[in-house]
Amino acid sequence: EAGVAQSPRYKIIEKRQSVAFWCNPISGHATLYWYQQILGQGPKLLIQFQNNGVVDDSQLPKDRFSAERLKGVDSTLKIQPAKLEDSAVYLCASKLGQTYNEQFFGPGTRLTVL
Amino acid sequence: GNSVTQMEGPVTLSEEAFLTINCTYTATGYPSLFWYVQYPGEGLQLLLKATKADDKGSNKGFEATYRKETTSFHLEKGSVQVSDSAVYFCALSDQNTGGFKTIFGAGTRLFVKA
Repeated sequence: EAGVAQSPRYKIIEKRQSVAFWCNPISGHATLYWYQQILGQGPKLLIQFQNNGVVDDSQLPKDRFSAERLKGVDSTLKIQPAKLEDSAVYLCASKLGQTYNEQFFGPGTRLTVL
Repeated sequence: GNSVTQMEGPVTLSEEAFLTINCTYTATGYPSLFWYVQYPGEGLQLLLKATKADDKGSNKGFEATYRKETTSFHLEKGSVQVSDSAVYFCALSDQNTGGFKTIFGAGTRLFVKA
């Protein structure tokens, strides 16, 4: 079974530029998460989707971050414009459904904002 | 609100030493508890879980017991190997947080020397 795929693996941009990350969850997984993991910290939830609907985006900085999952499968996370403090690893995870316990994580995208 | 606190690292051990990584939690409901492991350059992987009080989760020689009376879920292994070097995250998932959101601790880095 293929795991959660993310691209790119690494991205370096200058502040005020835009960037987009892509995630393809495990086939059949209805729930998809985007997390931000700053160096030395645990993952922090940015947004949770159930199929193509948003369940929780309370910690998403909506003035600069946006995410979509239009067809309920793959998802994109965008930052526009980026700030220095956005430097982090962006993790995508999926699980079968909301009531299931185990999340499966992708390898992450490491973003460096200069 | 719900939270997870785990011991700060790094933890440095010699091969075959006994490992304990402490984790305590605060939750209003009856959460499920998890330990995730993150190897260098990879995403998080579920190591073990426990869904109710007094449950013991175990995997790959690691184990942790859900202690409701002390609100703890300490990770233990009797004899660590160099290959266990990684970052370990304690986490909880509670249906009362909405959408079974998972909250992670800050992580504890483990170094095992040969």
